[in-house]
Amino acid sequence: QSALTQPASVSGSPGQSITISCTGTSSDVGDYNYVSWYQQYPGEAPKLMIYDVIYRPSGVSNRFSGSKSGNTASLTISGLQAEDEADYYCSSYTSRRTYSFGTGTKVTVL
Amino acid sequence: QVQLVESGGGVVQPGRSLRLSCAASGFSFSNYAMHWVRQAPGKGLDWVAVMSYDESNKYYADSVKGRFTISRDISKNTLFLQMNSLRADDTAVYYCARALSYSSSSMFEYWGLGTLVTVSS
Repeated sequence: QSALTQPASVSGSPGQSITISCTGTSSDVGDYNYVSWYQQYPGEAPKLMIYDVIYRPSGVSNRFSGSKSGNTASLTISGLQAEDEADYYCSSYTSRRTYSFGTGTKVTVL
Repeated sequence: QVQLVESGGGVVQPGRSLRLSCAASGFSFSNYAMHWVRQAPGKGLDWVAVMSYDESNKYYADSVKGRFTISRDISKNTLFLQMNSLRADDTAVYYCARALSYSSSSMFEYWGLGTLVTVSS
């Protein structure tokens, strides 16, 4: 399964909004609403931030939101904070009943 | 609360086998699909395998198909990953993850802390 494409890095100043894209194909992102986003700090396990494209698990800040258009999903972080500096990965279910992860995006708070 | 604790990692020679375990607690283990996901040092996440709640469906990444087997022991609330014919590119931290629901199409909600597997001669 091919990796989904994410920008290597995205940066923003505190309080700003940033958006991370996740581009797949019609066999994964484009065909299913099983897209999720994960936040990972160095040396730690990933944490689920968004699932099924738009839903936030309990306890995740409402500054995080997800969307999808065609073969591209997006994660938006509003009101950027220093604690948001981490790596972010998208993931999608695929038509082969497997899963693909994105290439990962490093978010830097300036 | 949900807790997943992996074990069984270590250094192993190429071509040898290793079995990873994931002890689950804080939820009804038999009601959820379970995944294995790995991360090579300094690299991104890489999905390995999934098993549905009733073990009726098991799916694998192409890179491990035929070499790795996912299984579980309900009586011990433990998930396993049997890894055979190990290669250098299997070197990674291996995470077990509980799915959002019973289905094998359900994604990764809770994660363990991982166990490191190093394949080297």
